[in-house]
Amino acid sequence: NTKITQSPRYLILGRANKSLECEQHLGHNAMYWYKQSAEKPPELMFLYNLKQLIRNETVPSRFIPECPDSSKLLLHISAVDPEDSAVYFCASSRDRANERLFFGHGTKLSVL
Amino acid sequence: QQKVQQSPESLSVPEGGMASFNCTSSDRNFQYFWWYRQHSGEGPKALMSIFSDGDKKEGRFTAHLNKASLHVSLHIRDSQPSDSALYFCAASVYGGSGNKLIFGTGTLLSVKP
Repeated sequence: NTKITQSPRYLILGRANKSLECEQHLGHNAMYWYKQSAEKPPELMFLYNLKQLIRNETVPSRFIPECPDSSKLLLHISAVDPEDSAVYFCASSRDRANERLFFGHGTKLSVL
Repeated sequence: QQKVQQSPESLSVPEGGMASFNCTSSDRNFQYFWWYRQHSGEGPKALMSIFSDGDKKEGRFTAHLNKASLHVSLHIRDSQPSDSALYFCAASVYGGSGNKLIFGTGTLLSVKP
């Protein structure tokens, strides 16, 4: 799905800081960060609508989202923990109501 | 805690066969149900949604919803090897600040040529 691009695809970290990036080319108003741990379903972390953070699930404070414009989403991670090892997906939808979500390919984070 | 349970955990069907997945939810506030599938190494992709009781058919895929029993199912006829993937049921609930999708536990489908 080249309509939502995520970078990097793979990330191996010690206790360092890093940012994940996402850009959607669909003209959607809502953007999401999801976390998918091994053998688990995706879980919502954050939801932005029209650049405003409107859902912030129970996520450790070391995860800080940013939406610099309506097509871009960042996830800043500081001092990662081994439990953070997972695939992080960016997704978008036309709006925040009952809409089809379009997911990117994900960033696989491995914490040493 | 809102939960969406799926069964079976895994399923193997021959090429051309019928694959069926089941999903039950625990919250009558769920409004929409979606089926997503995820191929290995990719993000989930939406297949179809259903919010009215009864059947909804899209090509080889048929979803069924029974709101009274909070049961949703998905059937794939004429299964193809390319259908091999992880299938998720997802329930949509309105939370005041925007809808949230609760993904089910998933069913891994393997279609044997």
